[in-house]
Amino acid sequence: EPEVTQTPSHQVTQMGQEVILRCVPISNHLYFYWYRQILGQKVEFLVSFYNNEISEKSEIFDDQFSVERPDGSNFTLKIRSTKLEDSAMYFCASRDRGGNTEAFFGQGTRLTVV
Amino acid sequence: AQSVTQLGSHVSVSEGALVLLRCNYSSSVPPYLFWYVQYPNQGLQLLLKYTSAATLVKGINGFEAEFKKSETSFHLTKPSAHMSDAAEYFCAVTPSSSNTGKLIFGQGTTLQVKP
Repeated sequence: EPEVTQTPSHQVTQMGQEVILRCVPISNHLYFYWYRQILGQKVEFLVSFYNNEISEKSEIFDDQFSVERPDGSNFTLKIRSTKLEDSAMYFCASRDRGGNTEAFFGQGTRLTVV
Repeated sequence: AQSVTQLGSHVSVSEGALVLLRCNYSSSVPPYLFWYVQYPNQGLQLLLKYTSAATLVKGINGFEAEFKKSETSFHLTKPSAHMSDAAEYFCAVTPSSSNTGKLIFGQGTTLQVKP
């Protein structure tokens, strides 16, 4: 069964360092998303990506964040200069079309900023 | 702005008992409605979704949810809990006006099943 794959599963980084979280969405999907879940809090939308551009972003997604789909298969989230408060579980998701279709989620990357 | 409220961050039931997890949304226009489950150390998995074809929606693992427009609710139920149902459950909505299909999640409810 097709699945969304995220790497790494756990990343520890020092404050101020850049991190890149990687995702391989399901191959025929067109809509891509990043969400995050700070420990003990709810899952929050960060950004959506369609047709090679950001279609929507939340207030959380400031200039420190960027997304890219560099090669037609990978979908990356970059945090330029990490802060302690960026520590969270980051989920990638994809869906084949909009509306009420199912979003498929990856296993998540746990980012710990020290 | 659209929001989702899940009443009860923790619900504990005995094995074989009824499971009821509550979800209310804030919108005069019904959004697209979903329930996701997250097992320990795993990603989010879709349990069921409301498609407007029927107000009672059946999902995987014996779960179902009923859409009640008058109550702006989409509560999740299962007649008989199993130990394997222990997990975190998230209600989520996509505003029907959304072009992007983003999901807005509730706070989540941790379901504990006691033997």
